[in-house]
Amino acid sequence: GAVVSQHPSWVICKSGTSVKIECRSLDFQATTMFWYRQFPKQSLMLMATSNEGSKATYEQGVEKDKFLINHASLTLSTLTVTSAHPEDSSFYICSARNSYEQYFGPGTRLTVT
Amino acid sequence: RKEVEQDPGPFNVPEGATVAFNCTYSNSASQSFFWYRQDCRKEPKLLMSVYSSGNEDGRFTAQLNRASQYISLLIRDSKLSDSATYLCVVSPGGATNKLIFGTGTLLAVQP
Repeated sequence: GAVVSQHPSWVICKSGTSVKIECRSLDFQATTMFWYRQFPKQSLMLMATSNEGSKATYEQGVEKDKFLINHASLTLSTLTVTSAHPEDSSFYICSARNSYEQYFGPGTRLTVT
Repeated sequence: RKEVEQDPGPFNVPEGATVAFNCTYSNSASQSFFWYRQDCRKEPKLLMSVYSSGNEDGRFTAQLNRASQYISLLIRDSKLSDSATYLCVVSPGGATNKLIFGTGTLLAVQP
């Protein structure tokens, strides 16, 4: 099946710093990528939908100035958590869609101290 | 009300048991329906799509009732390896094809 990678797989950062997470579709071109966040014992919550070459569409309650999304190519989308705080600690998962299905990346575990 | 609601679980069942999960969704215009499986600290993986006519994949059977906005998953002859969180997922369709996840039901199959 299609493969989606994320980097880094885990990151620890200090409060106030910014963290960039990359999502790549390795063997297909994805016009649309999605970013999710999952807190412990909760389900995945869609943060934003990212289309190549255009601005991301954010879900209600997600701060677009805090979670910067760039979808520069058909195989790469990045999520930057700016001025991270401990409450941003979570499991961030991206997915990429081809014509048939959404494929999920392995996730990035962010811990903000 | 949450868009997708599931039995909270956890379900603790012995090997070989049959277990059923239920899910309801609030948006009657939803177009696509899925069951995903998520192992601890891993990404979700598609288990099966769900169709109105019902569909089966080995030991797994999924049913959709659009009138009741209800989705089910039946696992027969459960295995230890079936232990995971099962996520009911709904898509409103349209241009974005975004997925809306339920909170998931934890299944623990005991030896």
